[in-house]
Amino acid sequence: EVQLLESGGGLVQPGGSLRLSCAASGFTFSSYAMSWVRQAPGKGLEWVSAISGSGGSTYYADSVKGRFTISRDNSKNTLYLQMNSLRAEDTAVYYCATTSFLTGYPSTDYWGQGTLVTVSS
Amino acid sequence: EIVMTQSPATLSVSPGERATLSCRASQSVSSNLAWYQQKPGQAPRLLIYGASTRATGIPARFSGSGSGTEFTLTISSLQSEDFAVYYCQQYNNWPTFGQGTKVEIK
Repeated sequence: EVQLLESGGGLVQPGGSLRLSCAASGFTFSSYAMSWVRQAPGKGLEWVSAISGSGGSTYYADSVKGRFTISRDNSKNTLYLQMNSLRAEDTAVYYCATTSFLTGYPSTDYWGQGTLVTVSS
Repeated sequence: EIVMTQSPATLSVSPGERATLSCRASQSVSSNLAWYQQKPGQAPRLLIYGASTRATGIPARFSGSGSGTEFTLTISSLQSEDFAVYYCQQYNNWPTFGQGTKVEIK
């Protein structure tokens, strides 16, 4: 059974940094691309970033490009999202998800339960 | 950016009735369209991909149709566990989601 468990969320001041983690189990982690998707409180879903199975290719939404960095450690079956220069509009629940690139663009499959990031002074 | 528009925003349906949800893309996404179900406090669950293929373990009462810019999710006979918010997502380009349709008990 695919299991994804996010952690690392919390309250951070504007301009601050946070690193999210996603621990994966139940599948061959290194064989799968992964994504981060976020959902602002009471709002819809926004794809944030994706990374290939090897970690050699990374992709970002324009809204986070230059501020967020996605990475993975396949020896630890863990996905990361380093978030810098955080803004109030980055406040959201962040989900990690398994990802396919069948069309050349990421599509998500299994999702974790999410971790809440609140950016506020 | 491809804009996805869902209608209606809220759909009131009685248990056992049929529900029809719509999703429109601002430009063609071919059949690269997925539907997700989200219940309060839970992560989205993939229901449909490729516009019409049910994901693993999804009951047959869920069906998807359409291609290009117009798509439909049909729930043939609503069960109590189906009351939730449904999102469409295109992956023909960088992924974008619709704003969601809430299916509530009438």
